[in-house]
Formats: sequence, structure tokens, C-alpha cells
Amino acid sequence: QLQLQESGPGLVKPSETLSLTCTVSGGSISSSSYYWGWIRQPPGKGLEWIGSIYYSGSTYYNPSLKSRVTISVDTSKNQFSLKLSSVTAADTAVYYCARLIAVAGPYYYYYMDVWGKGTTVTVSS
Amino acid sequence: SYVLTQPPSVSVAPGQTARITCGGNNIGSKSVHWYQQKPGQAPVLVVYDDSDRPSGIPERFSGSNSGNTATLTISRVEAGDEADYYCQVWDSSSVHVVFGGGTKLTVL
Repeated sequence: QLQLQESGPGLVKPSETLSLTCTVSGGSISSSSYYWGWIRQPPGKGLEWIGSIYYSGSTYYNPSLKSRVTISVDTSKNQFSLKLSSVTAADTAVYYCARLIAVAGPYYYYYMDVWGKGTTVTVSS
Repeated sequence: SYVLTQPPSVSVAPGQTARITCGGNNIGSKSVHWYQQKPGQAPVLVVYDDSDRPSGIPERFSGSNSGNTATLTISRVEAGDEADYYCQVWDSSSVHVVFGGGTKLTVL
């Protein structure tokens, strides 16, 4: 059974870079038809997609975060990672990693079928 | 960019039918997916591709999508269905995932 586990610091100082890693177990990150992504949820608020990556390194980013986000993949470790730079208190959230199913049609579209449990990141000095 | 609109809250008595809507411009032309999130837990996919259910999701959960509105229907609502529900699409024009604002389902 596929499982995803987020890891990384729970506290980040303002203006620094938030770094998280998602470890995939029970399946290969190099499987075709899947992307791998990050989603976050500020306290008491809704879900916000951050971005997604294919095992080849191809990425999609949320336009509102694109200038601060880098998502990378390490197929040898079956992991993918998130870096969010210049963080502020507004970046305080639960961060989830997830597997995205890619569906081919008139155009490709994506949805999340497996999620990690999430990790809380607080931005504070 | 593409916007999905959900009612903030829906209330229903046990055993009744809950309908949660998700509005968007010509959303009927897109595939809509729904997630259930209980307090302190990660979201769970309950409906994908408008109306399909993942393995393990009860038949009480169903979906439809036409025109400018997609709907998640929960039949014979149980206390355990109380949760936040989010709709989601892929915006092909700006190539990114879009979530609705979420609907809190309260079982009276």
C-alpha cells in the first residue's frame, strides 16, 4: 500500500527558506501516469495547491507562489522535496504531500488519490 | 484564473440527503473531484471524475456535473460524514490545481 510521509523542521524564521521532504514507500516515484505534489492548509482555512513534479523533473507551480517555490525529485531515494523561500507568517500551515493521478483526454488533468498525514510548519522568530 | 465557489456550510439531519455544490464557469466541461477532510486529518478522495468512487468509499457518496455546477450528494447521512468537503479541478489554461473554498457539513 502506497504511503507518503512528510518530514522537515516544524519552525522556520521569517525571511528564511522552508524545506520539506516527502518519502514515498510501497511504490515507486518513477511510475508513469503519476505526478507528486505539495498542498498546504493555513490554520482554519482551506486547501491551497503549491505545485507538482513528475519523476523526470517536469514541474507545475501555483502562479501565486511560483517566484518562491522549488520542487525537486530524487528518484534514487524515492523522495521529492519542497523549498519555499522568503517565508512570512502567512506561510504558517499544515503542509501535505500527495500523489497526483494524471489523466489523458483532450488535455491532461490531475487529482490527488493518496495523501500524507501532513506536517505543521510555523513561521516565527 | 479559474474560481470554484462552494457554500461555507450545509446542515442535514441523520438519514437525510446532503447536497454540496461547487460552482464554476462552464464547470461541466471539466472533471471534478471531491475530498472529505475530518478535523486533524488529511483529505481523502471520495469522488473523482465527476461521479466515480475510489475503492472503499460507500455508495452513499455520488457526484454529478453539468453546466456551471457540480454536486456532491451524500445519501442516508451518518454522524461520521460530518467533515469539510472540497471540490477540485485542473485549470488547463493556467496549468494548475484549483480547490473550492470548502463546505462544512454538519449533521444535526
